[in-house]
Amino acid sequence: QQQVKQSPQSLIVQKGGISIINCAYENTAFDYFPWYQQFPGKGPALLIAIRPDVSEKKEGRFTISFNKSAKQFSLHIMDSQPGDSATYFCAASANTDKLIFGTGTRLQVFP
Amino acid sequence: NAGVMQNPRHLVRRRGQEARLRCSPMKGHSHVYWYRQLPEEGLKFMVYLQKENIIDESGMPKERFSAEFPKEGPSILRIQQVVRGDSAAYFCASSPGTGGSTEAFFGQGTRLTVV
Repeated sequence: QQQVKQSPQSLIVQKGGISIINCAYENTAFDYFPWYQQFPGKGPALLIAIRPDVSEKKEGRFTISFNKSAKQFSLHIMDSQPGDSATYFCAASANTDKLIFGTGTRLQVFP
Repeated sequence: NAGVMQNPRHLVRRRGQEARLRCSPMKGHSHVYWYRQLPEEGLKFMVYLQKENIIDESGMPKERFSAEFPKEGPSILRIQQVVRGDSAAYFCASSPGTGGSTEAFFGQGTRLTVV
């Protein structure tokens, strides 16, 4: 019930391509869905987040798509760049409670 | 405005020793979360503290692990009698309290290696 399932585990994309990472959850009490970016040796940094009252949120090249009925949300990175190479984590929380993280996706963008 | 400060950044302990990890929250933040990240895995919640109060310790192992956030000074995550399986990156996040995890910022982490 408390799990957040993330896929794929790793992703290789060519520069300029679209990177898509998917997450699914079970707990309908979750009301906050952030995505974090983590570079090696660093802490996770908040990238973008969404609430379940909207189906999409866009910030620059990063877009979250949210499907409440399917209990799924995804991160799209448009025009992927080598500097985007990092590990991406989805997460969820209920009522500002602790974050439940997915297992991470290692993204590599090749020139 | 300094971010969340964790120290040490790297810690090596022999099996059976004690490990103390410190977390200084951002200025104005009175809430701290601790998470553990095992190699190639996501972050797992351990404990949520407010100054002088443990709010949620549902993710803490029952033995050897403890956490505190005193009125003055950093939050401390203490691991007694460390074992190899404790080797991981430990992250803390702080928030001002009102928004909970939605306003949390993470530190750079402490990488604990047990030899």
